[in-house]
Amino acid sequence: DGGITQSPKYLFRKEGQNVTLSCEQNLNHDAMYWYRQDPGQGLRLIYYSQIVNDFQKGDIAEGYSVSREKKESFPLTVTSAQKNPTAFYLCASSILAGPYSYEQYFGPGTRLTVT
Amino acid sequence: GQQLNQSPQSMFIQEGEDVSMNCTSSSIFNTWLWYKQDPGEGPVLLIALYKAGELTSNGRLTAQFGITRKDSFLNISASIPSDVGIYFCAGRIQGAQKLVFGQGTRLTINP
Repeated sequence: DGGITQSPKYLFRKEGQNVTLSCEQNLNHDAMYWYRQDPGQGLRLIYYSQIVNDFQKGDIAEGYSVSREKKESFPLTVTSAQKNPTAFYLCASSILAGPYSYEQYFGPGTRLTVT
Repeated sequence: GQQLNQSPQSMFIQEGEDVSMNCTSSSIFNTWLWYKQDPGEGPVLLIALYKAGELTSNGRLTAQFGITRKDSFLNISASIPSDVGIYFCAGRIQGAQKLVFGQGTRLTINP
């Protein structure tokens, strides 16, 4: 079955530690995205990538970093510079061009708790 | 900043009732998407709309792309317990590449 996987489902870290969240897709999508979700709020875009070895900052990129070494993978690192890292993180992917390129498909999410 | 206003923020209904929710903006949109999110899971795409006035159904769900291109509506008919969750609208503003998301409508159903 094609889809997006995120691991782990739950992640706990101590303040001051960097942590990397995994996102893998086998949908053959070119574009991948990372969003942050806080209670009672909509999704906010952290980073996105449209092609291997290239990515762009979203609306709240400060304190985060990404890489895109393979088409299938788009890991997100939450660094110690992120002031409020506890949140639910969602990865998504889409095709790159055409009328349906704005239909984004989401993974199951990773809930990060930093204490 | 937030460019989509989604309402209502929450709904408490009886099983079998119909549900209506909407998203509005001051900006013109080229695409509207509706998602459902179950607790602790990622959003699932329900309906995508691409033309002003477009009306699209997915089972008991019907969504419309407003003719002004500044709003969209989602209706759920004859609600059932598995409809519980948070419904998000998302849209692409004319000239932009990224999606913007509404804050969500939390639907609770009393059996």
